[in-house]
Amino acid sequence: GENVEQHPSTLSVQEGDSAVIKCTYSDSASNYFPWYKQELGKGPQLIIDIRSNVGEKKDQRIAVTLNKTAKHFSLHITETQPEDSAVYFCAASSSNTGKLIFGQGTTLQVKP
Amino acid sequence: DTEVTQTPKHLVMGMTNKKSLKCEQHMGHRAMYWYKQKAKKPPELMFVYSYEKLSINESVPSRFSPECPNSSLLNLHLHALQPEDSALYLCASSLGLSSYEQYFGPGTRLTVT
Repeated sequence: GENVEQHPSTLSVQEGDSAVIKCTYSDSASNYFPWYKQELGKGPQLIIDIRSNVGEKKDQRIAVTLNKTAKHFSLHITETQPEDSAVYFCAASSSNTGKLIFGQGTTLQVKP
Repeated sequence: DTEVTQTPKHLVMGMTNKKSLKCEQHMGHRAMYWYKQKAKKPPELMFVYSYEKLSINESVPSRFSPECPNSSLLNLHLHALQPEDSALYLCASSLGLSSYEQYFGPGTRLTVT
């Protein structure tokens, strides 16, 4: 079955720096890759997603890149702010079942 | 509006109790999901409903019983739970099953004593 690996598990950056989180997936049939941000005591919030027919997508300070050949996708956050501190999950979906396979999560800390 | 609501926010129950978790969305989504999330772990899929019919049961113990009374509502009935069932229970919805964005509710924090 599909497996998603996510690195790093923790990431600490200074405010204003960039942060990059990387994920790899195993199923070449995967075609949808969302990223979720989860703050303490809240549910996961969809922040950006990308489909397999696109290589890059950007939304203000957040961007996602996809390399289908290498089966990698990454989340890039520029000009980080303390409110970006949270746990970030990547996920992959490869079928019509609606199943999302999540990575293990990255705890991002942005120091003011 | 991408809001999924869940009630209650917190629930403490004994191992002999019966309780229900509720989830609601008014986005016209036809797929709804229950996930279980333990601390510092990703959400784990439990059940998927599509057009009010159970589509996936991820081998969840029968002490968890889902119900989808209509396209906007999803319930999770709980009975004879174990302390290890304590977790954050998340509901999500999407337009359909195939590669559509899933929107999560805030979750119900369940503690089984």
